[in-house]
Amino acid sequence: DAGVIQSPRHEVTEMGQEVTLRCKPISGHDYLFWYRQTMMRGLELLIYFNNNVPIDDSGMPEDRFSAKMPNASFSTLKIQPSEPRDSAVYFCASSSGQGPPLHFGNGTRLTVT
Amino acid sequence: DAKTTQPPSMDCAEGRAANLPCNHSTISGNEYVYWYRQIHSQGPQYIIHGLKNNETNEMASLIITEDRKSSTLILPHATLRDTAVYYCIVRVPETSGSRLTFGEGTQLTVNP
Repeated sequence: DAGVIQSPRHEVTEMGQEVTLRCKPISGHDYLFWYRQTMMRGLELLIYFNNNVPIDDSGMPEDRFSAKMPNASFSTLKIQPSEPRDSAVYFCASSSGQGPPLHFGNGTRLTVT
Repeated sequence: DAKTTQPPSMDCAEGRAANLPCNHSTISGNEYVYWYRQIHSQGPQYIIHGLKNNETNEMASLIITEDRKSSTLILPHATLRDTAVYYCIVRVPETSGSRLTFGEGTQLTVNP
């Protein structure tokens, strides 16, 4: 089991550019979560999916953020246009059913200049 | 989800037991206690969870008081690799949409 795989590990982009973060959950997991971590706000849940369907996107900061899960093995988080305040580490996590454990990837560190 | 309170930081000597406390005085009867940790530059890692009985696994032990208002995570023989931020989370697994709300946690530093 390779665990949750995120790409890229690091992303540096200029303000106004589109950014796409990718996630491959653990095979067989039916829940997928996107979190964001900053020094100021800690770990925040942005959105989560169940069986590829978005269930709760109330944590998505604004319309510039969008997430998709076209199939059970792939999800994307897109920011368009990106802004410096979007700089953070973005984590993807997956789980089987509602209960623990939640398995996290190693994150994508995004820097927007 | 019930609110939790943890000390911001703790130190422990390598090889000794690390006891990390968590207060959750507003916990309700069907809420579980979960512990995760985050080693620098990695994603959070699940450690253990429990409802009211003490629990043990290969990583740690979880002691929950009888009134369930507090708990302690015990790392029996801490190593340098246990240096991390430890999060205590209280929630009902079947509700809250499976979301986990992370607080500020406890920064545990294991010293040689």
